[in-house]
Amino acid sequence: DAMVIQNPRYQVTQFGKPVTLSCSQTLNHNVMYWYQQKSSQAPKLLFHYYDKDFNNEADTPDNFQSRRPNTSFCFLDIRSPGLGDAAMYLCATSRPGQGAVGTQYFGPGTRLLVL
Amino acid sequence: AQSVTQLGSHVSVSEGALVLLRCNYSSSVPPYLFWYVQYPNQGLQLLLKYTSAATLVKGINGFEAEFKKSETSFHLTKPSAHMSDAAEYFCAVTDGSGNTGKLIFGQGTTLQVKP
Repeated sequence: DAMVIQNPRYQVTQFGKPVTLSCSQTLNHNVMYWYQQKSSQAPKLLFHYYDKDFNNEADTPDNFQSRRPNTSFCFLDIRSPGLGDAAMYLCATSRPGQGAVGTQYFGPGTRLLVL
Repeated sequence: AQSVTQLGSHVSVSEGALVLLRCNYSSSVPPYLFWYVQYPNQGLQLLLKYTSAATLVKGINGFEAEFKKSETSFHLTKPSAHMSDAAEYFCAVTDGSGNTGKLIFGQGTTLQVKP
């Protein structure tokens, strides 16, 4: 089945230690998104790639970076995690049609714990 | 700017009872509207979407939603609740930013189903 895969499902890191979260997709979608979701809150968009074009949200901290080496993979790098970065990180993909908005399909998420 | 309001952060129903989760949106352009469900420690799963076709939209697991432009509403209903419906539900609208369809989420409604 075509899907969005996130690894690992749970990640523990230390305060200030860089961490990378991974997302891959077999849907061949050209847009990939990263969301941060804190407990009991709605997902918050951090950034997205439309093909190779990177689009950062205005309020995304510089501590968060992303890479998309090819269509299938996208990475979220947190350069110096703080305690406030503990959250669920969700990857989503979409394939917009001409003049139509593509539906976003989400992965299972990676829960990040910062010690 | 577009926004979504979900009335009621917690809704509790008995098994077999009607489920009604409320969503109101604001948008200056015709919106695309979505309902997603999230089970604990999982990603978001698409229940249904409205994309300016039929105003009554049927989704998975027996859920449906009706787009009412005059009321700027997109409430989610299910005739008979099942224990497995207990989850967090998010209503979302696109912000009209081209084809990338950035989602604006409501704050979510937790559905509790009592036996």
